[in-house]
Amino acid sequence: SQTIHQWPATLVQPVGSPLSLECTVEGTSNPNLYWYRQAAGRGLQLLFYSVGIGQISSEVPQNLSASRPQDRQFILSSKKLLLSDSGFYLCACLTSGDQPQHFGDGTRLSIL
Amino acid sequence: GEDVEQSLFLSVREGDSSVINCTYTDSSSTYLYWYKQEPGAGLQLLTYIFSNMDMKQDQRLTVLLNKKDKHLSLRIADTQTGDSAIYFCAEGYGSGYALNFGKGTSLLVTP
Repeated sequence: SQTIHQWPATLVQPVGSPLSLECTVEGTSNPNLYWYRQAAGRGLQLLFYSVGIGQISSEVPQNLSASRPQDRQFILSSKKLLLSDSGFYLCACLTSGDQPQHFGDGTRLSIL
Repeated sequence: GEDVEQSLFLSVREGDSSVINCTYTDSSSTYLYWYKQEPGAGLQLLTYIFSNMDMKQDQRLTVLLNKKDKHLSLRIADTQTGDSAIYFCAEGYGSGYALNFGKGTSLLVTP
């Protein structure tokens, strides 16, 4: 079964600084990859998903962007962080349409 | 996506059964999921059900699906203190198989 690695686990950044969160997957090939954000409270919101290298779909317009430079690597970025970007960022992986998504352990991002 | 609805809180005594309810929105969802989140942790898949089923049992967990009413429930038998967590209902949607989550139900199990 696949393993999803996210790093860092926690991150504290000042407003206006750049961001790069990385997610890598082992144990599968050509997965769908997803970035979700869980803001304070607990709802999860889909930010981006990718069905292949270089293919990114954005669910909501925002201050963030995503890239998939390799099959099993998904990166979430920002050029200038806002206070509202604080939250718990979760990467997920899907190997096929009849399987459930599995999640990484997440990155907790605090913006000061 | 549109809102997946869940009640926010549930408190039960240890040893009792817990039932967490969810109303979803997309009648074309092929799969429906239950995830568990413990404090500070990521999401753990508990179970999922294919939309052509109306029940699935997995040890202490029973999932009931009423497709007509778009209602999903999770029953935890013999609830333990370790079951205290937030439980998310989710529906799959779209060609990218993304998940639309409810806001989660906080389950508190008291001794």
